[in-house]
Amino acid sequence: AQSVTQPDARVTVSEGASLQLRCKYSSSVTPYLFWYVQYPRQGLQLLLKYYSGDPVVQGVNGFEAEFSKSNSSFHLRKASVHWSDSAVYFCAVTPNYGNEKITFGAGTKLTIKP
Amino acid sequence: DAGVTQTPRHEVAEKGQTIILKCEPVSGHNDLFWYRQTKIQGLELLSYFRSKSLMEDGGAFKDRFKAEMLNSSFSTLKIQPTEPKDSAVYLCASSWGDAETLYFGSGTRLTVL
Repeated sequence: AQSVTQPDARVTVSEGASLQLRCKYSSSVTPYLFWYVQYPRQGLQLLLKYYSGDPVVQGVNGFEAEFSKSNSSFHLRKASVHWSDSAVYFCAVTPNYGNEKITFGAGTKLTIKP
Repeated sequence: DAGVTQTPRHEVAEKGQTIILKCEPVSGHNDLFWYRQTKIQGLELLSYFRSKSLMEDGGAFKDRFKAEMLNSSFSTLKIQPTEPKDSAVYLCASSWGDAETLYFGSGTRLTVL
């Protein structure tokens, strides 16, 4: 079985400030990890994904995430946020084999203050 | 390449009506998913197809929800009869296969009165 926890339902950050969105996962097998973003009235779009190798993965629009096996975490970071980053961010996990499908976290709504 | 296309964008139904939502996946993708999205429950998997075969039909959603994939480029989700608690955004997604990126449509917002 697998699960994803995003402990922060809402995060507010000033424009230009740095950002970290937290994600903790549980998986009985080696996981593949994803961050998706959902802008208003749109579907989810992939930001980045981690399969193996370097624990820091780069994504679109300056986002990156760091995989930590010891902490069972996959936190998302950005050095300097822009007002257009306001959206809902979803962390997701899927096993690297087996029939279990992708599991999404509840999402973190990010608001950027001017 | 065209992304995932969902129609209609909005649907308003009276309680007890039958509604059909439509989805065209990305061309060539093998997997197709239907999700329901609400603020309370988040993303809930309704149905999952692989190469047009129904692999998962969403357990609790079986009785009034039926997804079909008549060909590799078109899927429908029928809700019959609708209830007010079905009000939500219904998302369709497709992918190449296991552990691959999901490509989502913009969703259909359903309101049941």
